[in-house]
Amino acid sequence: AQSVAQPEDQVNVAEGNPLTVKCTYSVSGNPYLFWYVQYPNRGLQFLLKYITGDNLVKGSYGFEAEFNKSQTSFHLKKPSALVSDSALYFCASPGSGNTGKLIFGQGTTLQVKP
Amino acid sequence: GAVVSQHPSRVICKSGTSVKIECRSLDFQATTMFWYRQFPKQSLMLMATSNEGSKATYEQGVEKDKFLINHASLTLSTLTVTSAHPEDSSFYICSATSGVSEAFFGQGTRLTVV
Repeated sequence: AQSVAQPEDQVNVAEGNPLTVKCTYSVSGNPYLFWYVQYPNRGLQFLLKYITGDNLVKGSYGFEAEFNKSQTSFHLKKPSALVSDSALYFCASPGSGNTGKLIFGQGTTLQVKP
Repeated sequence: GAVVSQHPSRVICKSGTSVKIECRSLDFQATTMFWYRQFPKQSLMLMATSNEGSKATYEQGVEKDKFLINHASLTLSTLTVTSAHPEDSSFYICSATSGVSEAFFGQGTRLTVV
């Protein structure tokens, strides 16, 4: 079965430090991978996506993610965290094929402390 | 990015009544819309896939007579929770895609059944 996993329920970092939110995938074929962010009682905001091409993908708000095929990972990163980055982050994939029907990871709460 | 508007953002209703939630794509034609349900601090669970002009496809375990979905136009899909009960209280989120890009999410609807 195709799946997306986020192994950490919560990540805590100090403001100004680099952050990493982990994601691994198990999908057939060439994966399409997305990162979304959700603020309390809000919908999901698109951050970035990997379809093909460069393994390092740059997205909104200074976030980037690195696609690693050998490790089946797509970790979200930011060089310097802001308190306002505190939110719930989801990794997702439509599995095989480019559809909007997404398989979501469990979500990781990012807490950035001043 | 494209805009998807979901209305209402919050609704409180009495047990036994029905509630309609609207999802509109404001600046693109959404051939497919998706309805998700999210419990507190949990991931999004796909409820159904809605294609314009055809019947929705429900995920296993989702009661189609309870969660009525209509996708009458390329810019509007509605989810009606019929005879709502307290266990239907949840955060409902729609997403829409034109089929050639990533899905865009609405702001979500917090449904509370009392």
